[in-house]
Amino acid sequence: NAGVTQTPKFRVLKTGQSMTLLCAQDMNHEYMYWYRQDPGMGLRLIHYSVGEGTTAKGEVPDGYNVSRLKKQNFLLGLESAAPSQTSVYFCASSYERADNYEQYFGPGTRLTVT
Amino acid sequence: GQQLNQSPQSMFIQEGEDVSMNCTSSSIFNTWLWYKQDPGEGPVLLIALYKAGELTSNGRLTAQFGITRKDSFLNISASIPSDVGIYFCAGPPHSGGSNYKLTFGKGTLLTVNP
Repeated sequence: NAGVTQTPKFRVLKTGQSMTLLCAQDMNHEYMYWYRQDPGMGLRLIHYSVGEGTTAKGEVPDGYNVSRLKKQNFLLGLESAAPSQTSVYFCASSYERADNYEQYFGPGTRLTVT
Repeated sequence: GQQLNQSPQSMFIQEGEDVSMNCTSSSIFNTWLWYKQDPGEGPVLLIALYKAGELTSNGRLTAQFGITRKDSFLNISASIPSDVGIYFCAGPPHSGGSNYKLTFGKGTLLTVNP
């Protein structure tokens, strides 16, 4: 089992450029999440998905879009990157069980917007 | 929204020492999760606690679910250099509906001097 994988690991963008971050999980998890991590801010939820074909906004969704066309993949898109989106992005996934809240994280994508 | 307060924010200890950190909330949590994040990596789940008063161990790590349900503690015994990293507590907000979303603390940064 690879668990949760993310591509790319690093990326540098110029302001205004677009890109897509890919997250894949092989644990058959129903729920998937995108977080950003900034110094002093902890982990903040951007968007999440409770199943294939469904997405919802998290705490900081502005400037991002997501898609969940396949159960195992969750894509995060930046249509017009801004320096404020320089961050480390983590994908996570979890089971759909009322008694289990454990989320499993990928290794992260380090994005710099200049 | 609900917040989790972790203390201390950072710790510098000598190899071999025991470590104790905690996480508190003004609201009740039904689950407490403890994660560790190594430098440059994603968070890894260490321990999950589901019952008030529960004490669970994972090797040299021991975590407790506070009786009041508003706090949790993580202890590391006989620390070693590879214990270096950021330790996060997390839990689902105690509200109906979207209980698959987690609230994260801002972490305790642990440094171990060999």
